[in-house]
Amino acid sequence: EDQVTQSPEALRLQEGESSSLNCSYTVSGLRGLFWYRQDPGKGPEFLFTLYSAGEEKEKERLKATLTKKESFLHITAPKPEDSATYLCAINFGNEKLTFGTGTRLTIIP
Amino acid sequence: NAGVTQTPKFRILKIGQSMTLQCTQDMNHNYMYWYRQDPGMGLKLIYYSVGAGITDKGEVPNGYNVSRSTTEDFPLRLELAAPSQTSVYFCASSSTRREQYFGPGTRLTVT
Repeated sequence: EDQVTQSPEALRLQEGESSSLNCSYTVSGLRGLFWYRQDPGKGPEFLFTLYSAGEEKEKERLKATLTKKESFLHITAPKPEDSATYLCAINFGNEKLTFGTGTRLTIIP
Repeated sequence: NAGVTQTPKFRILKIGQSMTLQCTQDMNHNYMYWYRQDPGMGLKLIYYSVGAGITDKGEVPNGYNVSRSTTEDFPLRLELAAPSQTSVYFCASSSTRREQYFGPGTRLTVT
């Protein structure tokens, strides 16, 4: 069964302290990897799509990268407003996405 | 352009009652989805639709029903509500197999 695993479950950083979140998967034919941000009490907000190994996407302080087995969401010099749960999801070649359980990120001022 | 809208935002049901969660999108997306999200469990797919008149089961369909009579609307029906259906429900839509766009969610409590 295709699976998506995110780590760590939770991460606390000081403001300005850069780090990375991980999304790993068992491969049966990846057809797209998606990163979302979810704030408490709200629906997930789309951030990035990656389709092939070596691809990178950037948005403000966030950069997503993709290898054959995993993706990283790099957060550079984060601010308190970057605090959220970050979700990874994968399309394994059909109409559906398989979601990981997320990384809860807290940025301390 | 409102995106994906869901009603109601909150609802409390008694065991055995029924209700319909409404979902509407104005992006002309063919694909629509219903998920439930429980603490620490991630998003689980309940039902999905690839176009009007076409629906299919997801990972956790028991206790739910859907219909898709128009491109815009994808209601989720709960019959005989049970405490296990207490959750936050999200509707999403997408164009083909691309990124999905989510609504704000419905928080449902069954007591």
